[in-house]
Amino acid sequence: KAGVTQTPRYLIKTRGQQVTLSCSPISGHRSVSWYQQTPGQGLQFLFEYFSETQRNKGNFPGRFSGRQFSNSRSEMNVSTLELGDSALYLCASSQGRQWDAGGYTFGSGTRLTVV
Amino acid sequence: QKEVEQDPGPLSVPEGAIVSLNCTYSNSAFQYFMWYRQYSRKGPELLMYTYSSGNKEDGRFTAQVDKSSKYISLFIRDSQPSDSATYLCAMSASGGGADGLTFGKGTHLIIQP
Repeated sequence: KAGVTQTPRYLIKTRGQQVTLSCSPISGHRSVSWYQQTPGQGLQFLFEYFSETQRNKGNFPGRFSGRQFSNSRSEMNVSTLELGDSALYLCASSQGRQWDAGGYTFGSGTRLTVV
Repeated sequence: QKEVEQDPGPLSVPEGAIVSLNCTYSNSAFQYFMWYRQYSRKGPELLMYTYSSGNKEDGRFTAQVDKSSKYISLFIRDSQPSDSATYLCAMSASGGGADGLTFGKGTHLIIQP
């Protein structure tokens, strides 16, 4: 059974540009969440989607946005990149609205570097 | 004060030792508690999942939750070099992904052969 797949694995962008990251959840999983991981702040919740609807968003500026498609694949977009957006962006999926036997399954992440 | 506090380490112990990892939290609404393990250049991997207070055991791992003290622990018995990783505690008030998880910053564990 394939895990959570994130593409690309590594990305270098210039300040001011925008970037789109992609996540394919485990087959059958309908909930997709995104997290930002930095050495200073650790893992921070960005947003969660279930059946193409954003159910919640963390404390991030409007430059961070996302969407989920009918096949549960998700993308997140960061516009007007800042140096502080350099981080590991992690996608996680779970089967339903509630956790049955546990929490998320995470992907390996996309390492974004803004120069 | 951060919602979840976790000693970043590094914590270095000899192979075979019992490891104790801990987190404290301030939000009394948290009911779901998890421990994740993260290897370098990888995403976090779920180790233990518990609801409310109590103990849960899975192989060499035991998770304890004391909601009255707002304190959770993970014990690793017969530690192995392959257990060397960053251990993250995480918690949530609801049993679903919508609220997101609140993570500790992680403890870097080193098991010396």
